[in-house]
Amino acid sequence: NAGVTQTPKFQVLKTGQSMTLQCAQDMNHNSMYWYRQDPGMGLRLIYYSASEGTTDKGEVPNGYNVSRLNKREFSLRLESAAPSQTSVYFCASSDGRASTGGTDTQYFGPGTRLTVL
Amino acid sequence: GDSVTQMEGPVTLSEEAFLTINCTYTATGYPSLFWYVQYPGEGLQLLLKATKADDKGSNKGFEATYRKETTSFHLEKGSVQVSDSAVYFCALAYSGAGSYQLTFGKGTKLSVIP
Repeated sequence: NAGVTQTPKFQVLKTGQSMTLQCAQDMNHNSMYWYRQDPGMGLRLIYYSASEGTTDKGEVPNGYNVSRLNKREFSLRLESAAPSQTSVYFCASSDGRASTGGTDTQYFGPGTRLTVL
Repeated sequence: GDSVTQMEGPVTLSEEAFLTINCTYTATGYPSLFWYVQYPGEGLQLLLKATKADDKGSNKGFEATYRKETTSFHLEKGSVQVSDSAVYFCALAYSGAGSYQLTFGKGTKLSVIP
């Protein structure tokens, strides 16, 4: 049981390049999330997916797109990277669906450290 | 909107000292409250949670009590160890758009010295 896995662990991009961050969970969770962590800012939600087939914007969605490929996988894409997107990116999952009485605890992956030059 | 405020760090303590990290929140309704811990180079791990007023969450010697009257969820440990050095995040969960969302505080970095 690996929990939440993320690839890659580290990435360096040049301004304008694109890339996709991958996330997978093996806990059969309904909901998945992408956050970014910046010094002194805590974690901020980029996008989330309440269930397979749905995605919604979080607090800081500009410059990002997401795909919920199936129940297990949720990817984050940077179409044209900018230095302001230098950050540590975390994926998380939970079985929390308020409508079905799921729990609200989120489980996090190890993170991807992205630098945009 | 909902928000979480926690004491700014960094906090430096000697081994076996008493730890308190303050956390207060603003929310409509009665959200669940969490403490997450992030060890160097790792992702966040759930440390403890409380789901209703007066509940006490506890784990690994850490405790926090959900205080509705003061809208607080302070983290405490009686005797810290070097291995407790990490960043601690207070968070609350609210229900929205079919799934629960978390709002985090900015984190408090704890360093424990031998």
